[in-house]
Amino acid sequence: GQNIDQPTEMTATEGAIVQINCTYQTSGFNGLFWYQQHAGEAPTFLSYNVLDGLEEKGRFSSFLSRSKGYSYLLLKELQMKDSASYLCAVMDSNYQLIWGAGTKLIIKP
Amino acid sequence: GAVVSQHPSRVICKSGTSVKIECRSLDFQATTMFWYRQFPKQSLMLMATSNEGSKATYEQGVEKDKFLINHASLTLSTLTVTSAHPEDSSFYICSARGNRDTEAFFGQGTRLTVV
Repeated sequence: GQNIDQPTEMTATEGAIVQINCTYQTSGFNGLFWYQQHAGEAPTFLSYNVLDGLEEKGRFSSFLSRSKGYSYLLLKELQMKDSASYLCAVMDSNYQLIWGAGTKLIIKP
Repeated sequence: GAVVSQHPSRVICKSGTSVKIECRSLDFQATTMFWYRQFPKQSLMLMATSNEGSKATYEQGVEKDKFLINHASLTLSTLTVTSAHPEDSSFYICSARGNRDTEAFFGQGTRLTVV
């Protein structure tokens, strides 16, 4: 079956760095997405990785290793507004998105 | 990025009535629309996938006669929750994808409360 695993909840301190991991097993691979979702709102796109390596975009970076079925989202200089759920999703061979359950990130002052 | 508009953002309806939710792609042609349901503190659950001009493909466990999906044009898809019950209360989100896109763009979501 298809499976996306990510931690349920993480806590970090304002100004610090946090890494949210995602491992996947899917039928085929056409890219991995990270989305941010604040409570009561729809997800917003953060990043897309289809090749191995690190993609940096401001305070957020995303890494992918296809051979290991592994990705992480790195958030630097954490701000209180970064408190949200972070969803990992993989596009399979049918171009369907397989979603992880999301990681709730709690930022403390 | 592309804009997807979902309406209404909130709706309260009486048990037994039907509710229609619209999802529009404003600046691109959405060849594929996805409808999700999200219960509190849970991840997105795909309900159905629809391609313009075709019947929607429903995920296992989703009643197609209860959740009617129409994707009659490249810019509009609708989800109608028929004979709504309190257990249908949830956050419904659509996303749209163009023919050459890998990214799907999300609507703002609709909070449905059935009383």
